[in-house]
Amino acid sequence: TQLLEQSPQFLSIQEGENLTVYCNSSSVFSSLQWYRQEPGEGPVLLVTVVTGGEVKKLKRLTFQFGDARKDSSLHITAAQPGDTGLYLCAGASHQAGTALIFGKGTTLSVSS
Amino acid sequence: NAGVTQTPKFQVLKTGQSMTLQCAQDMNHEYMSWYRQDPGMGLRLIHYSVGAGITDQGEVPNGYNVSRSTTEDFPLRLLSAAPSQTSVYFCASSYGASGEQYFGPGTRLTVT
Repeated sequence: TQLLEQSPQFLSIQEGENLTVYCNSSSVFSSLQWYRQEPGEGPVLLVTVVTGGEVKKLKRLTFQFGDARKDSSLHITAAQPGDTGLYLCAGASHQAGTALIFGKGTTLSVSS
Repeated sequence: NAGVTQTPKFQVLKTGQSMTLQCAQDMNHEYMSWYRQDPGMGLRLIHYSVGAGITDQGEVPNGYNVSRSTTEDFPLRLLSAAPSQTSVYFCASSYGASGEQYFGPGTRLTVT
């Protein structure tokens, strides 16, 4: 069974601080997606990383896919209250037609 | 496009009652799925469908039924509600099982 472990589970920081969220597995994924979920809403895709070692930037968010395609990280620079939410990683199997494997998420709270 | 719509937004049921959670998408996606989200448990896959007339079980299918008579609609039926089914339910659709998932706004269900 493929599992994705996210850490930390909770993170509470002040505006302007930097943070990193990790998504780790013993399995290899063909791609990995990051979602953000705000209270009372469904998750929304932020980015998909496909190639081992790939780095993608989305404004102050930097996503990295591990060289072996088993892990990923999300780094936020100078966090803002608008970054508050639940961050979920989801891995795609190499086996066609297999549903995404979701991590349990990291709840981020940024206070001003 | 409305994307993925879910009704109702909130529902309270008594133990033993049955009900149907509605889900519809207007993006012509073949793949649709139902998840439940519980604190500390992340998103768990209940049932999914790869196209009209085809459904399959996910990680936690017990107590739930689905059908897919059209590409657009994917209702989730609770046969005899139990307190353990208190949760937030999300419907999602995508072009493929491992593609970007478009989530609905969720249904918050309480079973007393």
